[in-house]
Amino acid sequence: AAGVIQSPRHLIKEKRETATLKCYPIPRHDTVYWYQQGPGQDPQFLISFYEKMQSDKGSIPDRFSAQQFSDYHSELNMSSLELGDSALYFCASSLGLVEQYFGPGTRLTVT
Amino acid sequence: KQEVTQIPAALSVPEGENLVLNCSFTDSAIYNLQWFRQDPGKGLTSLLLIQSSQREQTSGRLNASLDKSSGRSTLYIAASQPGDSATYLCAVEPQGAQKLVFGQGTRLTINP
Repeated sequence: AAGVIQSPRHLIKEKRETATLKCYPIPRHDTVYWYQQGPGQDPQFLISFYEKMQSDKGSIPDRFSAQQFSDYHSELNMSSLELGDSALYFCASSLGLVEQYFGPGTRLTVT
Repeated sequence: KQEVTQIPAALSVPEGENLVLNCSFTDSAIYNLQWFRQDPGKGLTSLLLIQSSQREQTSGRLNASLDKSSGRSTLYIAASQPGDSATYLCAVEPQGAQKLVFGQGTRLTINP
């Protein structure tokens, strides 16, 4: 069965650079979520989209923005990167308010 | 604000034992509760989803229960195996929200 696809899987950036993470949801899923997991921490919700509209927002820094496109894929744009942004970034998708399926994550390292 | 707590933070048991992981949440207004497994540095694998109207779900050696009124869920693992070693995360989807709120996880080690 098709799963959530995230790219890239690993990304190394320097402070103050920008990064773009991509997420391709499971086909026919209409909702996409982004989570950030710091080292040794539980995943923290950043933002979600339903049918291309923002549906909920968590503790996402103003330096970050995201959108969902007409083909339902989503991108998380991160600017002015800081050392503290180093984390695993997960995308998840669902069909309505049911089970969320997570992608393998993008490991971002900021040096 | 919804908060999720998992006890214990870590658990080490010999192979073959049955065990219970606990999850509690502060606000009973939830759509559903999900249990995940996470291997070190890897993604989250969904194990079981319990909708708010349900009391339990079973998959193989796993059984999860939900008592929404008391804000508690348990994950029961029968006949544990070394391959079950991982971190187990509990997460709730609050009513009126489109997100999951996670607990800090229980790090489980099954010793051969």
